[in-house]
Amino acid sequence: DTEVTQTPKHLVMGMTNKKSLKCEQHMGHRAMYWYKQKAKKPPELMFVYSYEKLSINESVPSRFSPECPNSSLLNLHLHALQPEDSALYLCASSHWTGGNQPQHFGDGTRLSIL
Amino acid sequence: GQNIDQPTEMTATEGAIVQINCTYQTSGFNGLFWYQQHAGEAPTFLSYNVLDGLEEKGRFSSFLSRSKGYSYLLLKELQMKDSASYLCAVATDKLIFGTGTRLQVFP
Repeated sequence: DTEVTQTPKHLVMGMTNKKSLKCEQHMGHRAMYWYKQKAKKPPELMFVYSYEKLSINESVPSRFSPECPNSSLLNLHLHALQPEDSALYLCASSHWTGGNQPQHFGDGTRLSIL
Repeated sequence: GQNIDQPTEMTATEGAIVQINCTYQTSGFNGLFWYQQHAGEAPTFLSYNVLDGLEEKGRFSSFLSRSKGYSYLLLKELQMKDSASYLCAVATDKLIFGTGTRLQVFP
């Protein structure tokens, strides 16, 4: 079990569907992250939130829309995804975005696009 | 550019010692992390180095040489449960992961 909770664990959706991934942490961390991980590859950074404000967007397509409603929650809204978007989506958090802060990862949502 | 290299795969025997190397060339450096990731699970934090030298934590140790852009993770007294991917990650203004090393431990 990790201290970062992601739901759902698995998601299958069609290319025209709209769905959301959710992430929650109660460690008082003020930085939260979304990563995408393909099989046998390292995690790739998508977005960084610092104190509930978006601080980094790694040129992610607009079909992925992040949202940080409060300091404990992070959502990723999905719309009109493509088959190549099938991957493990990991959420992480850290005390802040300083370089010496380890990130704590959730177990991820395994997303399949039909 | 940002470049972090690790061997793709390594094998070792239970009870042995294995060293996983990581070389990096990045614009900026705020420290180097090692993470362990079992198949289908979240990466878990193992160690952090920002100054040169060796950090020891139980069976795991991590070494850093900033001048050489080099780090290694040393795993002692290998156990079957150590079979996993090991990710080297450099902190700049964000965390940049290496390609990962898949370690298989055999009995």
